Amino acid sequence: DAKTTQPPSMDCAEGRAANLPCNHSTISGNEYVYWYRQIHSQGPQYIIHGLKNNETNEMASLIITEDRKSSTLILPHATLRDTAVYYCIASLYNTDKLIFGTGTRLQVFP
Amino acid sequence: EPEVTQTPSHQVTQMGQEVILRCVPISNHLYFYWYRQILGQKVEFLVSFYNNEISEKSEIFDDQFSVERPDGSNFTLKIRSTKLEDSAMYFCASSVRQLAAFFGQGTRLTVV
Repeated sequence: DAKTTQPPSMDCAEGRAANLPCNHSTISGNEYVYWYRQIHSQGPQYIIHGLKNNETNEMASLIITEDRKSSTLILPHATLRDTAVYYCIASLYNTDKLIFGTGTRLQVFP
Repeated sequence: EPEVTQTPSHQVTQMGQEVILRCVPISNHLYFYWYRQILGQKVEFLVSFYNNEISEKSEIFDDQFSVERPDGSNFTLKIRSTKLEDSAMYFCASSVRQLAAFFGQGTRLTVV
């Protein structure tokens, strides 16, 4: 699985867009980018995943660069409840395990 | 909204005792997982289970650990002889397809 690099922490004002970057320069052609988050000590929560096209769902948007070496998770209107650790994971579609790193701790402030 | 349910939320056990952590995955899911998180550390993969057998396991998942899906709805993790270092949050997860997994709220295991 490709290694991912994320900033350890970020701040975002409530109501503004939170843009969380992830570097995965060694990603292979058949590895997906997955995003999860963990609020306090709760179980990780799946957010979104993509291969090369940009993706959007009700929670977030995922923008993947054309060379696939990096991506950005966008929370369009951050709320206090979005305060969490966000994990970017690169992994083959048909493997069974997620390798969690240390993620980005996003603090949303009023 | 369907969710993965774990019981108990907190389990305290004496070192050397056996514990069974229970999970009810989402009903139409086919892949089942256990992860753990020692306090202040990363979430770690333990084991995946598909089609009634283990499909992958980590080095952590040694002979002290076992998993079972006894009745088609529950998914259990057994630790045969607990050690102090087994103290952690244990998360069960399930998915329709691999990797887009839905996690339960966890069982906090404290070994004393």
